[in-house]
Amino acid sequence: NAGVTQTPKFQVLKTGQSMTLQCAQDMNHNSMYWYRQDPGMGLRLIYYSASEGTTDKGEVPNGYNVSRLNKREFSLRLESAAPSQTSVYFCASREDRGTFSYEQYFGPGTRLTVT
Amino acid sequence: QQQVKQSPQSLIVQKGGISIINCAYENTAFDYFPWYQQFPGKGPALLIAIRPDVSEKKEGRFTISFNKSAKQFSLHIMDSQPGDSATYFCAAAFRPTNSKLTFGKGITLSVRP
Repeated sequence: NAGVTQTPKFQVLKTGQSMTLQCAQDMNHNSMYWYRQDPGMGLRLIYYSASEGTTDKGEVPNGYNVSRLNKREFSLRLESAAPSQTSVYFCASREDRGTFSYEQYFGPGTRLTVT
Repeated sequence: QQQVKQSPQSLIVQKGGISIINCAYENTAFDYFPWYQQFPGKGPALLIAIRPDVSEKKEGRFTISFNKSAKQFSLHIMDSQPGDSATYFCAAAFRPTNSKLTFGKGITLSVRP
């Protein structure tokens, strides 16, 4: 049971390049999330997916797109990277246990630098 | 508008001391309040969480105290250890939506040996 896995761990992009961050979970969770973490800003939600086939914007969606490929996988795409997107990106999934469980399990993160 | 605010921004505590981190929230509809712990180079992990129908929850050395009227909750770490040195995030969520968590900005705790 690997939990939430993310690839790649590190990435350097030039301004204007595109890339896709991959996330997969093996816990049979319905909900999945993408966050970015910046110094002094905490964790900010980019997009989330409450179930396979659905996605919704979070707090900071501009410049990103997502795909919920199946129940296990949720990818984040940067179509034209900008230096402002330099950040650490975390994927998370939520345990669906009863009506009052909001625990989210986080992956190890992808550190992205855009030059 | 920041819906969840943490204080202090950083904290240094001696080994064996008590670490106290505070969190204030805006939205009275929030009904789930977790604390996440993050070590350098790792993703955050749930430490402890509380619902608004209780005023305190304890798990080992970690205690959440909740004050509904003041819209505040706090994390107390008793007998703080160097291994507790990490970044701590408070968060909040509300039903019946999709359990999106709103996080505070995080505080860095350093426990000196």
